[in-house]
Amino acid sequence: QQQVKQSPQSLIVQKGGISIINCAYENTAFDYFPWYQQFPGKGPALLIAIRPDVSEKKEGRFTISFNKSAKQFSLHIMDSQPGDSATYFCAARNIGNLIFGKGTKLSVKP
Amino acid sequence: DAGVIQSPRHEVTEMGQEVTLRCKPISGHNSLFWYRQTMMRGLELLIYFNNNVPIDDSGMPEDRFSAKMPNASFSTLKIQPSEPRDSAVYFCASTRGQGDQPQHFGDGTRLSIL
Repeated sequence: QQQVKQSPQSLIVQKGGISIINCAYENTAFDYFPWYQQFPGKGPALLIAIRPDVSEKKEGRFTISFNKSAKQFSLHIMDSQPGDSATYFCAARNIGNLIFGKGTKLSVKP
Repeated sequence: DAGVIQSPRHEVTEMGQEVTLRCKPISGHNSLFWYRQTMMRGLELLIYFNNNVPIDDSGMPEDRFSAKMPNASFSTLKIQPSEPRDSAVYFCASTRGQGDQPQHFGDGTRLSIL
């Protein structure tokens, strides 16, 4: 119940394409859903986040789509760039704790 | 504004030795988290503190692991005795702990136990 399932494990996208990463959860007590971006040798950094009462949030090329009834949420990266190559983690918050997905390694080919 | 500072960045030691990882959170942040990252298990929460008090240590793998936060600007994670399966990257993160304030992560300590 405390798990957040993330897919795919890895993703290769051509420059300019759309990258889509999906996450699913079971615990309806989760109240906040952030996405973190991690570059090699660095710690994860917050990219974008959403609350469950909102179905979509967009910040620049990054969009979170949230489906509360299906308990699923996804990250869309429009016009993907080589600089977006990183590992992306979805997460869900329960009483102050973040539960992270296993991560998706994104490679954007020039 | 300095970020979360972790030391050392890399640690290589032999099995059985004591290992101490250090973290300085961002000034003004009142919640601090220790995570462990491995390929197999991903990013796991080990323990978190609120106002220097341990709130949830259910993620600490076993008694060989201990964490302290003697004041608002310093925390340690200690492993004694260390084992090869403890090899991982250990992250510290801090947050103001109010509303939807993000967790800010340090750059981690890469620990290798031989």
